[in-house]
Amino acid sequence: NAGVTQTPKFQVLKTGQSMTLQCAQDMNHEYMSWYRQDPGMGLRLIHYSVGAGITDQGEVPNGYNVSRSTTEDFPLRLLSAAPSQTSVYFCASSYSRQGSDEKLFFGSGTQLSVL
Amino acid sequence: AQKVTQAQTEISVVEKEDVTLDCVYETRDTTYYLFWYKQPPSGELVFLIRRNSFDEQNEISGRYSWNFQKSTSSFNFTITASQVVDSAVYFCALGSSGTYKYIFGTGTRLKVLA
Repeated sequence: NAGVTQTPKFQVLKTGQSMTLQCAQDMNHEYMSWYRQDPGMGLRLIHYSVGAGITDQGEVPNGYNVSRSTTEDFPLRLLSAAPSQTSVYFCASSYSRQGSDEKLFFGSGTQLSVL
Repeated sequence: AQKVTQAQTEISVVEKEDVTLDCVYETRDTTYYLFWYKQPPSGELVFLIRRNSFDEQNEISGRYSWNFQKSTSSFNFTITASQVVDSAVYFCALGSSGTYKYIFGTGTRLKVLA
């Protein structure tokens, strides 16, 4: 059971470049989300999705786009990377929010540097 | 607005000491969920516990225990007889039944010295 898989693990971009961080889960989770982790800031929610075709913004959505065409995949797109987007990115998923055992399962993270 | 405060940025203890990590939360929801996650030096996030707002029972799991008090909006985490392997960043998080957002605190870095 792979759980939540994120790719790539490391990425270096130049300012203005675009890229997509991939996230896939094989647990049939309805809920998927993206967080960024910065020193002293904890984990901040970027975007989340409660099912295929449904996405919404979190605390820090600017500069990022998402889509959810399938239950399994939830890619995060940076259209024009900026140095302020240098961070560690985590994808997370969970069962329905109504479940009694609901908790977030995290991917292993992507370390992104924007020069 | 929802908020999670972990006022302790970093704590250092000597092995075998007990240590308590504080978590204070704010929410207007009547039904909510509280979590603790551990992030060891390897970087992954490991689920430790979930507590529902309607269940104020404290919980003990081995050397770990959690104290949930709605009256003070706190969900504190105690490690008894700490070990070097407990060294990590610990995050407290809040989720509400009315939204689909999990809010995390800024984390507490625990260093357990041999």
